[in-house]
Amino acid sequence: QSALTQPASVSGSPGQSITISCTGTSSDIGDYNFVSWYQQHPGKAPKLIIYDVSNRPSGLSNRFSGSKSGNTASLTISGLQAEDEADYYCSSYTTTSPYVFGTGTKVTVL
Amino acid sequence: QVQLQESGPGLLKPSETLSLTCTVSGGSVSTYYWGWIRQPPGKGLEWIGYVLYTGSTNYNPSLRSRVTISIDTSKNQFSLKLSSVTAADTAVYYCARDGGGSSAYHFDYWGQGSLVTVSS
Repeated sequence: QSALTQPASVSGSPGQSITISCTGTSSDIGDYNFVSWYQQHPGKAPKLIIYDVSNRPSGLSNRFSGSKSGNTASLTISGLQAEDEADYYCSSYTTTSPYVFGTGTKVTVL
Repeated sequence: QVQLQESGPGLLKPSETLSLTCTVSGGSVSTYYWGWIRQPPGKGLEWIGYVLYTGSTNYNPSLRSRVTISIDTSKNQFSLKLSSVTAADTAVYYCARDGGGSSAYHFDYWGQGSLVTVSS
């Protein structure tokens, strides 16, 4: 099972909105609504920020939102803040494995 | 609040067996799925496998021949064994909880991670 494809980097200015894409196939994102997103700051464990395509864990900022169209899932961060600078990973259920992660995207706040 | 903590040797020689234990507090391992994920230095995440309290397991096909994950409900722990390690197995190893049930296939609680280095 190959990793899901994400852009290596995305950047934006404080207050702006950015979107990170996560491209898979009809055997994963395209066929299942088990897409999740994780935020990882340097030296820290990943943190769940979106599950089941668009659900946020309790207490998480509504600046984070998720969606899916076809074989591509997306994470949007609105009102970008300095603390959002981190690596972001998507994950999906697949026909051959319960989890496959994306290649990861480094978000830089300019 | 559920907390997970990895423990085990941080340095191994090639061909040895990696052994890590994850101790769970604030919750019981007798529910949910419990998984292992690793991250080589400067690289992305890779799912290794998971175990249910019944002992049922599922492994990443690329690692299946070398991986064993087990659970000890009496100690509220689960463990990872990876045999015949090489330098390519050098990584931070995380234990984590799968949300389970109708909301499965995502990890909602993670340990802090344990760096395992394979070097002669």
